[in-house]
Amino acid sequence: EIVLTQSPGTLSLSPGDRATLACRASQSLTNNYLAWYQQKPGQAPRLLIYGASTWATGIPDRFRGSGSGTDFTLTISRLEPEDFAVYYCQQYGSSPTFGQGTKVEIK
Amino acid sequence: QVQLLQSGAEVKKPGSSVKVSCKASGDTFSSYVIAWVRQAPGQGLEWMGGIMPILKTPEYAQKFQGRVTITADESTNTAYMELNSLRSEDTAVYFCARGWLSLYYLDSWGQGTLVTVSS
Repeated sequence: EIVLTQSPGTLSLSPGDRATLACRASQSLTNNYLAWYQQKPGQAPRLLIYGASTWATGIPDRFRGSGSGTDFTLTISRLEPEDFAVYYCQQYGSSPTFGQGTKVEIK
Repeated sequence: QVQLLQSGAEVKKPGSSVKVSCKASGDTFSSYVIAWVRQAPGQGLEWMGGIMPILKTPEYAQKFQGRVTITADESTNTAYMELNSLRSEDTAVYFCARGWLSLYYLDSWGQGTLVTVSS
């Protein structure tokens, strides 16, 4: 099983700040099969990024995914009030797994 | 885009089984994988398994092998997840979600079904 480790566990930032979230895989991901999701309380997750860097439909370009192999990053260039949420990475190669999540909270 | 409508909340006794349904509408059902993901209270997301309805061959996370059964009925555009031998740790919100063709990046999600296991 591929283990995904996200860091940090919590990010305390202000609106307008830049957020950088990391996701490290225990082994290299085939075809960079890495996705990012946003989840708000009481809601289902929403797909933001797939293929490590491809935007899902309707996702604003302040969200940017990067990385390859075992190290991936989600960057939110300028935080909007609606961006404060929990973010998960997921590998969807063999037997998909999720990271444990990073909470982006208002400072 | 597909809409996924899940069955309602369930309360179950330890040792019993639960079956959750997920009905798809608005887009093709058979050629896209359907995944089941659960989330215990205050915890993260956990992939349980999935199925491509047209192939009817499920795959399961190792943790749930032998305890979960995922099926799909193309005639009703509905996927099912049955979990057996329930214990209190299975209390969670269970989501179905659609992938893209055979890939499990999940672009449409159901609303979630709360399953509570309690004596």
